[in-house]
Amino acid sequence: GIQVEQSPPDLILQEGANSTLRCNFSDSVNNLQWFHQNPWGQLINLFYIPSGTKQNGRLSATTVATERYSLLYISSSQTTDSGVYFCAVEETSYDKVIFGPGTSLSVIP
Amino acid sequence: ETGVTQTPRHLVMGMTNKKSLKCEQHLGHNAMYWYKQSAKKPLELMFVYSLEERVENNSVPSRFSPECPNSSHLFLHLHTLQPEDSALYLCASSPRQGNGYTFGSGTRLTVV
Repeated sequence: GIQVEQSPPDLILQEGANSTLRCNFSDSVNNLQWFHQNPWGQLINLFYIPSGTKQNGRLSATTVATERYSLLYISSSQTTDSGVYFCAVEETSYDKVIFGPGTSLSVIP
Repeated sequence: ETGVTQTPRHLVMGMTNKKSLKCEQHLGHNAMYWYKQSAKKPLELMFVYSLEERVENNSVPSRFSPECPNSSHLFLHLHTLQPEDSALYLCASSPRQGNGYTFGSGTRLTVV
């Protein structure tokens, strides 16, 4: 089956800093989503981005499907950005969604 | 509130107990899912229901028993669990299978 990797696994940022999270996947996908899981376990859908670039406030995401990766940009980070960021891809042949292992982000004041 | 509601938020149960987790969505979605998240592990898909029929069971032990009485409700019945089953159990729904997930807040389960 498809493999999903995320990097870095852990990240500590000073409040106000910018960061880039990466998601690599091993095969063609129908769709890709980015999620943020807050420290209380709630998973929030950030972007539904099979290709191209989208922006939502301080967050933006870019997926280059032909090169099998996606990037999540966080600008001017805030402590509320802390948590785990997952990317999830939908396999083309099995109509199944596979989650990556996540990037754990800590933003410190 | 995401539109997917899970109850209870926290549950502590003994290994001989029987309990149920509940998930409810009123988003008009046709697919619902149970995921398990253990510490330092990726999310694991447990069950998928599409149009109220189970379409996937990822080799989950029989001590976990799902039920989907209608497209808005999903249950996970638990019996004779083990301490290693302690985890965050997440419910999700999507308009169709594998597309556009919305997650609930999860149930934090502790088996003692």
